[in-house]
Amino acid sequence: AQSVSQHNHHVILSEAASLELGCNYSYGGTVNLFWYVQYPGQHLQLLLKYFSGDPLVKGIKGFEAEFIKSKFSFNLRKPSVQWSDTAEYFCAVGRSGSARQLTFGSGTQLTVLP
Amino acid sequence: KAGVTQTPRYLIKTRGQQVTLSCSPISGHRSVSWYQQTPGQGLQFLFEYFSETQRNKGNFPGRFSGRQFSNSRSEMNVSTLELGDSALYLCASSLAGQGLTDTQYFGPGTRLTVL
Repeated sequence: AQSVSQHNHHVILSEAASLELGCNYSYGGTVNLFWYVQYPGQHLQLLLKYFSGDPLVKGIKGFEAEFIKSKFSFNLRKPSVQWSDTAEYFCAVGRSGSARQLTFGSGTQLTVLP
Repeated sequence: KAGVTQTPRYLIKTRGQQVTLSCSPISGHRSVSWYQQTPGQGLQFLFEYFSETQRNKGNFPGRFSGRQFSNSRSEMNVSTLELGDSALYLCASSLAGQGLTDTQYFGPGTRLTVL
């Protein structure tokens, strides 16, 4: 069975700091990769996704992620965080052809201090 | 375009009862998946429905079941509720097409509390 690891459970940053959240998965086949965000009191929203092609994908609100196949990783980055980025971030993996059955990581709570 | 809607938003039940949760997908979306979110286990896949048929199932007991109607709306049912079933139940819909269209969009969830 596939699994997804998010190594950072809670990250605290000051505004304007750079962000990188790690995500590693264990599955040897072709995968579809996602980052979702859950803002306080809101539902899960899609930040960005990777299906194929350019391994560097850009999402909403200035976020980007890089798929490194050799490392089974899909790390999320943002050059300068804002207070409004405070939220919980989830990495999710779906097998190619079965992207509707996602395996989620445990989530990373990001707190941005003003 | 309206997002995924789930009803009810909050539900309180007692052990041994059964519960039915409802999900209306985004207009035009044909696939509905259900997930359970708890503090201890995180987000876990329950099952997925497409064209009124269950396509995939997660590792949950048979007390958890679901169905999909011809208009793509879906319901999930939990029978003989246990305390451990207290969770946020999320519904996600997808066009279920090829490639990038195979992306899930989530609803606000139904918060189930079992007493």
